[in-house]
Amino acid sequence: GAVVSQHPSRVICKSGTSVKIECRSLDFQATTMFWYRQFPKQSLMLMATSNEGSKATYEQGVEKDKFLINHASLTLSTLTVTSAHPEDSSFYICSARSDRSNQPQHFGDGTRLSIL
Amino acid sequence: AQSVTQPDIHITVSEGASLELRCNYSYGATPYLFWYVQSPGQGLQLLLKYFSGDTLVQGIKGFEAEFKRSQSSFNLRKPSVHWSDAAEYFCAVGAGGTSYGKLTFGQGTILTVHP
Repeated sequence: GAVVSQHPSRVICKSGTSVKIECRSLDFQATTMFWYRQFPKQSLMLMATSNEGSKATYEQGVEKDKFLINHASLTLSTLTVTSAHPEDSSFYICSARSDRSNQPQHFGDGTRLSIL
Repeated sequence: AQSVTQPDIHITVSEGASLELRCNYSYGATPYLFWYVQSPGQGLQLLLKYFSGDTLVQGIKGFEAEFKRSQSSFNLRKPSVHWSDAAEYFCAVGAGGTSYGKLTFGQGTILTVHP
């Protein structure tokens, strides 16, 4: 089945650090990937749609300069949280959808980001 | 804009009992509907999906869901719950058109299974 790998699974770092999270589709090509944020005991909120070879599409209220997205290939998207602060601490999850029609999104295992 | 409502925040059932998790959606066209399951600290696993065709959809782990257009519902069912089914369940609706692929999630239902 479709597998999405997300790395790292957990990051703890100091305030002001930039953190990069990778999302890879291991056995399929994904022109489109998605980045979500999940607060404790809450649902997933879509942050942005990552488009291979073009700029990401951000949801309303998401700072594009804070959350940099790069989708350099058909199997890799990265999310960089720049100058992270404690309020950026959260669970970040990526998903990818095969380019074939009528395919669901498959999710990575998430990244727990803790900013001290 | 599309939306999803899961009316039950927390459900507790006994092992071996039947289960139904409710999901209501709002969407202007024929929706793409999904159920995902999330264990603590993990990503989401797809249980089943509905795109078109037969309104009763079979998924993994013995789950099924029925799309009822008249009720704007896509309830998840399982005839006999196992202790390993304890997790959080999310219903989601997918957009079409220019927003194809974007998912809107419900608030989730936490399932507790008693032995």
